[in-house]
Amino acid sequence: SYELTQPPSVSVSPGQTASITCSGDKLGDKYACWYQQKPGQSPVLVIHQDTKRPSGIPERFSGSNSGNTATLTITGTQAVDEADYYCQAWDGSNYVFGTGTKVTVL
Amino acid sequence: EVQLVESGGGLVQPGGSLRLSCAASGFTVSGNFMSWVRQAPGKGLEWVSVIHSGGRTDYAESVKGRFTISRDNSRNTLYLQMTSLRAEDTAVYYCARDVSCSSISCYGPDGFDIWGQGTMVTVSS
Repeated sequence: SYELTQPPSVSVSPGQTASITCSGDKLGDKYACWYQQKPGQSPVLVIHQDTKRPSGIPERFSGSNSGNTATLTITGTQAVDEADYYCQAWDGSNYVFGTGTKVTVL
Repeated sequence: EVQLVESGGGLVQPGGSLRLSCAASGFTVSGNFMSWVRQAPGKGLEWVSVIHSGGRTDYAESVKGRFTISRDNSRNTLYLQMTSLRAEDTAVYYCARDVSCSSISCYGPDGFDIWGQGTMVTVSS
């Protein structure tokens, strides 16, 4: 079965850039998307189709996808960005979620 | 307003059955790829099942043969019939809409842009 691997945690200082990677076999050949989830809340789509931001998502969130790795970048990280982040892709018959990354804003 | 509202969760014994419902408003379930996603307590997101706009259904291996996804176009509602429930099925169950469909066509699957608030399913004796 297809797997997507993320680092368990990422720490970032306010105002700095946070990068979260998502690795999977030939992931660059698929659409990658990213979700933000805060405790007790439903996930929120922040990036889809590799690079697109849904309406209402701040410009500091950006995405890329090439080769075996998709990356979510948060530029000018704010305290409000502290959350769990999940990548996701479609493998032809299943949606697959990444293992999740906890972003801590120190 | 575009939204999804789940219902039907609760406590069920191992081996039992439960049917979850997801009422949509502001769009049609029949015109979109609609999924169920679950999250066990303290764990990550796990996709469960999808019904495509054309009616095709897909399931995660962990639920194949036990869960059935369906939709009622007249009620604009998505369902998940769950049978032979196990302790490991305990989770918050979300319904979600894929972002890839417009009124004309779908380019996806892609990601889920609309999520419900979730309904808790607990399988325990």
